[in-house]
Amino acid sequence: AQKITQTQPGMFVQEKEAVTLDCTYDTSDQSYGLFWYKQPSSGEMIFLIYQGSYDEQNATEGRYSLNFQKARKSANLVISASQLGDSAMYFCAMREANQGGKLIFGQGTELSVKP
Amino acid sequence: GAGVSQTPSNKVTEKGKYVELRCDPISGHTALYWYRQSLGQGPEFLIYFQGTGAADDSGLPNDRFFAVRPEGSVSTLKIQRTERGDSAVYLCASSLGARTSGRKETQYFGPGTRLLVL
Repeated sequence: AQKITQTQPGMFVQEKEAVTLDCTYDTSDQSYGLFWYKQPSSGEMIFLIYQGSYDEQNATEGRYSLNFQKARKSANLVISASQLGDSAMYFCAMREANQGGKLIFGQGTELSVKP
Repeated sequence: GAGVSQTPSNKVTEKGKYVELRCDPISGHTALYWYRQSLGQGPEFLIYFQGTGAADDSGLPNDRFFAVRPEGSVSTLKIQRTERGDSAVYLCASSLGARTSGRKETQYFGPGTRLLVL
């Protein structure tokens, strides 16, 4: 079974609008961390935002926020005021406390921002 | 400070050859991770080090793959008898420590090495 599922292979958004990228996860651990990374065409993985399983507040980092719904096991990324430079692949990843340090990644969502 | 660096950025080799990929982590990071990313896929875990020791090598696909981190800093991923299926981007990441928790567990990635096996 997929541990991280990103159901949107591709998304389009108009510049300056908000967009939500979906991520659901599967774990039996109580302690885990969820991450979003951005991968532009240059290939480097850029860390965007982190949410811990025990965090009560949704994480925010500038224009990025994470809509964390623990009971539904979803951790959707919201990008507000999209910019052309936001066009990239976006990956959701999970780290389970009882699995050591490794990250498990989803298949990614390709976001295209239209001018 | 400097981020994670990886060399070479690109490597073309012939089937059956041996290759070494190098990773230099962020200074002060004790945990180092290797991932492999095939075209159109998310990265897949290979191995991680906490200090000098391999804490989890469960992602290495077979015994042709080996990694070392002798002094707890730079790491080398070694692939013997390369096959065309080994062609991928090999990503290295580092974090403050694999046994930390919270935001400190965030892994920071290097630019990757694109390996092409002909």
